[in-house]
Amino acid sequence: DAGVIQSPRHEVTEMGQEVTLRCKPISGHDYLFWYRQTMMRGLELLIYFNNNVPIDDSGMPEDRFSAKMPNASFSTLKIQPSEPRDSAVYFCASSLWDSGETQYFGPGTRLLVL
Amino acid sequence: AQTVTQSQPEMSVQEAETVTLSCTYDTSENNYYLFWYKQPPSRQMILVIRQEAYKQQNATENRFSVNFQKAAKSFSLKISDSQLGDTAMYFCAFMRNAGGTSYGKLTFGQGTILTVHP
Repeated sequence: DAGVIQSPRHEVTEMGQEVTLRCKPISGHDYLFWYRQTMMRGLELLIYFNNNVPIDDSGMPEDRFSAKMPNASFSTLKIQPSEPRDSAVYFCASSLWDSGETQYFGPGTRLLVL
Repeated sequence: AQTVTQSQPEMSVQEAETVTLSCTYDTSENNYYLFWYKQPPSRQMILVIRQEAYKQQNATENRFSVNFQKAAKSFSLKISDSQLGDTAMYFCAFMRNAGGTSYGKLTFGQGTILTVHP
């Protein structure tokens, strides 16, 4: 298996622009998670899906952030408009089910908003 | 809410030696899981080891083992025969076991940077 795939690996954009991060979970996994990692806040969960349905989005910082999962093999995290404080590494992870099963992380997308 | 604390921001060890990373957590739950993840310079998050709280036996994975003290809410990671490739940031993480309901939220500690010297 190829593991969790994220694209792009690096993104540099200017403040105010729309940013879309993409994730392909491991085939057969029914949970998908989006995390953000910053020096100040560490690793924090933004949102997670079960069977393509958003279950908990309480970690999404504000309305500028949105996430979708149109099918079992694809998810997006969109930031519109982007701000410099959104600069971080964004991870996608997937698992088979969430009762203690391991979450497998993608390589992350390093986002820099100028 | 659960909290996870890693009190050692940085640690170093000589190659082939043993090192222990500390982790404590605070929860009112009785059924949960604990994990150690490794993040090397590539930034990929890699699972090192996991422990179910209902199991008294400490988990082991090759050179990695844990000392799980449920009453003390302590979950330390021991790395034996340290290798240069073990150099990474190590995160301790907690997950509540909600049984059949959906709650896969991982709560991470702040991380410990481990450097293995040749």
